[in-house]
Amino acid sequence: GQSLEQPSEVTAVEGAIVQINCTYQTSGFYGLSWYQQHDGGAPTFLSYNALDGLEETGRFSSFLSRSDSYGYLLLQELQMKDSASYFCAVRDEGRGSTLGRLYFGRGTQLTVWP
Amino acid sequence: EAGVVQSPRYKIIEKKQPVAFWCNPISGHNTLYWYRQNLGQGPELLIRYENEEAVDDSQLPKDRFSAERLKGVDSTLKIQPAELGDSAVYLCASSLTSGRGNYEQYFGPGTRLTVT
Repeated sequence: GQSLEQPSEVTAVEGAIVQINCTYQTSGFYGLSWYQQHDGGAPTFLSYNALDGLEETGRFSSFLSRSDSYGYLLLQELQMKDSASYFCAVRDEGRGSTLGRLYFGRGTQLTVWP
Repeated sequence: EAGVVQSPRYKIIEKKQPVAFWCNPISGHNTLYWYRQNLGQGPELLIRYENEEAVDDSQLPKDRFSAERLKGVDSTLKIQPAELGDSAVYLCASSLTSGRGNYEQYFGPGTRLTVT
């Protein structure tokens, strides 16, 4: 099966840098995704890592280490609007009908203070 | 480009009543998903369609839930009868089938269901 662990809450101030970690256990692995969800809103795709290393997209970066079954989302120059829940997700790479199913972590609630 | 459209946005019903949710995916997205999200949790897949075919429905409680995707575009999810534990946000998502499609999903705003 699949399991993902991420912290439930993280707080930081505007302009700071915050890192949200995600560790996973899967029966097969192909890549790690990150989603952002504001209160009452839809989850929004942020990034996808299939290879080890850091992927940068503006103020957000995502890192993956497949050997450590670990990844993180790095948010720089935090803004109030970054206050949201962040979910990591892995895909089922096993056989059968669940191949392709995306499993989400429980989410990390980020609060950015002025 | 229009995003994933869902309706209604909110629904309040009494237990044992039926309820239905509708979803229109992004044009060209062959894969459609229905998720349930409980408060403080990540989305959990209920059913996934590739075109008209339900390819992953093992987590759909088939005694009370049903879904259909006619003509491989719009989809409806129905609950009959609803139970108190069904209160949640029901999210529809779509993606391309090829490449990293499953990893990059586009979600609708969801339907917040309250069963009293």
